[in-house]
Amino acid sequence: DAGVIQSPRHEVTEMGQEVTLRCKPISGHNSLFWYRQTMMRGLELLIYFNNNVPIDDSGMPEDRFSAKMPNASFSTLKIQPSEPRDSAVYFCASSLRQNTEAFFGQGTRLTVV
Amino acid sequence: AQTVTQSQPEMSVQEAETVTLSCTYDTSESDYYLFWYKQPPSRQMILVIRQEAYKQQNATENRFSVNFQKAAKSFSLKISDSQLGDAAMYFCAHSTASKLTFGTGTRLQVTL
Repeated sequence: DAGVIQSPRHEVTEMGQEVTLRCKPISGHNSLFWYRQTMMRGLELLIYFNNNVPIDDSGMPEDRFSAKMPNASFSTLKIQPSEPRDSAVYFCASSLRQNTEAFFGQGTRLTVV
Repeated sequence: AQTVTQSQPEMSVQEAETVTLSCTYDTSESDYYLFWYKQPPSRQMILVIRQEAYKQQNATENRFSVNFQKAAKSFSLKISDSQLGDAAMYFCAHSTASKLTFGTGTRLQVTL
């Protein structure tokens, strides 16, 4: 298996623009997580899905952030409009079932200028 | 709410020596898992070791082992025979009902 695949690896965008981050989880995994990592706040759980259904989105910082999982093999995290403080590394991770270890993608480094 | 605390922002160890990284957690759940992840400069998150809460025996993976104290809600990581490649950020994580929560991390330096 190729592991969790995220795209793009790097994204530089101007403030106010829409940004879409993409994730392909490991085939057969039922849970999917979106995390944000910054120096100041560490690893923050933004949202997680179980069987394509959002279970907890309490970590999503603002209404500017939205996440979807239209099927078991694809998820997106969208920021609209983006702001400089959104600059961070965004990780997607998936796990086989509840309480098992999560496998992470390579992350997307987002820079909003 | 579950929390994970890593009280050591940075640690240093000499090559071939042993180091222990600390982690405490807080949860009201009885069924949960604990993990240590390693993040080298490449930023890839790599699973180091896992522990099921219902197991009394401490998990071991080669040079990595844990000291799991359930009553104290403590989960430390011991790295034996440290190698230069062990230098990284180490994150403790707690999982329950699919929610995986991380600590703030400990940066480990390995010196010659």
